[in-house]
Amino acid sequence: EVQLVESGGGLVKPGGSLRLSCAASGFTFSGYSMNWVRQAPGKGLEWVSSISSTGSYIYYADSVKGRFTISRDSAKKSLYLQMNSLRAEDTAVYYCVLGSNLDYWGQGTLVTVSS
Amino acid sequence: EIVLTQSPATLSLSPGERATLSCRASQSVSYYLAWYQQKPGQAPRLLIYDASNRATGIPARFSGSGSGTDFTLTISRLEPEDFAVYSCQQRSNWPLTFGGGTKVEIK
Repeated sequence: EVQLVESGGGLVKPGGSLRLSCAASGFTFSGYSMNWVRQAPGKGLEWVSSISSTGSYIYYADSVKGRFTISRDSAKKSLYLQMNSLRAEDTAVYYCVLGSNLDYWGQGTLVTVSS
Repeated sequence: EIVLTQSPATLSLSPGERATLSCRASQSVSYYLAWYQQKPGQAPRLLIYDASNRATGIPARFSGSGSGTDFTLTISRLEPEDFAVYSCQQRSNWPLTFGGGTKVEIK
């Protein structure tokens, strides 16, 4: 059974940093691209970033480019999102998502950016 | 950026009725269009990928059609558990984009 468990969310002040983690199990982690998708309270889904299976290809939404960094560790079967220079508009539930079809989603971790 | 426009915003139907949801893209996405279901407090769930392929474990009452710029998600007979928000998403071009969602509510 595919499992994706996010952690690392919380309350942070504007301009601060957070690192999200996603622990994956139930599939061959090194064989799949991975993604982060977020959802602001009461709003729709917004793609944030994607990383290829080998980590060779990385993509970011313009809204986070230069502030967020996606990475993966196949040995630890983990996906990460380093978030710097956080803004109020980054407040959202962040989902770790498997595959190019966004096949499986974790339950999400809430990031709140507020003073 | 490809903009996906979903209609209607809200669909009020009774259990057993047929639901037809639309997703229109601002430019062709070929068949690289997916549909997701999301219930309150839950993560989205993939229903349909590549326009017409049901994801693993998705009931046959869910079907997808279309190509290019116009796509449809059909729920043949609504079950009580189908009342939720449905979003479309394209993976033809970066950035990946989502539609604003259609809420299917009980009439």
